[in-house]
Amino acid sequence: DTEVTQTPKHLVMGMTNKKSLKCEQHMGHRAMYWYKQKAKKPPELMFVYSYEKLSINESVPSRFSPECPNSSLLNLHLHALQPEDSALYLCASSQDPARAYEQYFGPGTRLTVT
Amino acid sequence: AQSVTQLDSQVPVFEEAPVELRCNYSSSVSVYLFWYVQYPNQGLQLLLKYLSGSTLVKGINGFEAEFNKSQTSFHLRKPSVHISDTAEYFCAVLSGGYNKLIFGAGTRLAVHP
Repeated sequence: DTEVTQTPKHLVMGMTNKKSLKCEQHMGHRAMYWYKQKAKKPPELMFVYSYEKLSINESVPSRFSPECPNSSLLNLHLHALQPEDSALYLCASSQDPARAYEQYFGPGTRLTVT
Repeated sequence: AQSVTQLDSQVPVFEEAPVELRCNYSSSVSVYLFWYVQYPNQGLQLLLKYLSGSTLVKGINGFEAEFNKSQTSFHLRKPSVHISDTAEYFCAVLSGGYNKLIFGAGTRLAVHP
């Protein structure tokens, strides 16, 4: 199983809502990543978890809160977002942090903030 | 800081024609280079990677790339494209800390019948 799954596929939320994005992999990977991708732009790294611990936070605003409850699961909690946060949010995993070059990506969650 | 520049934002090509997508990198140290593909409404998939060794790297779906240190380039090629190759292609470099991918702006390959 080389699949990274993300739910939901689409999410529409108001600026006062609280929602969560979920990412799951069962490949035994110990590094997991969140990216934000705006239309016609490359993915931008947001967070990296290594062995369930947050290792990189790319100065992401606190309205985005990541969580790694176990080695297979990665969540991104959203609160008080702005319309400019509308984007495709991609999750990825790699066997370990040293193999960050070989990341397996999920299909993404397309988020619209109204 | 390491970075990659993709020289073409869009490349239109006819089916069965050859294609080259250009990527230049800047790095003062050893460099690890990659090409990823993103099909519409999907995540990214690794096409090929250069870590060391042979400068000609073969990947999936008939793609190959050549690492050229003197030209600081890592261009992606395919001798004959299919309609199904229509996608966004990203060149990427591993950061100095080796735990972060830095992507280029992307090249949209549009294959026409």
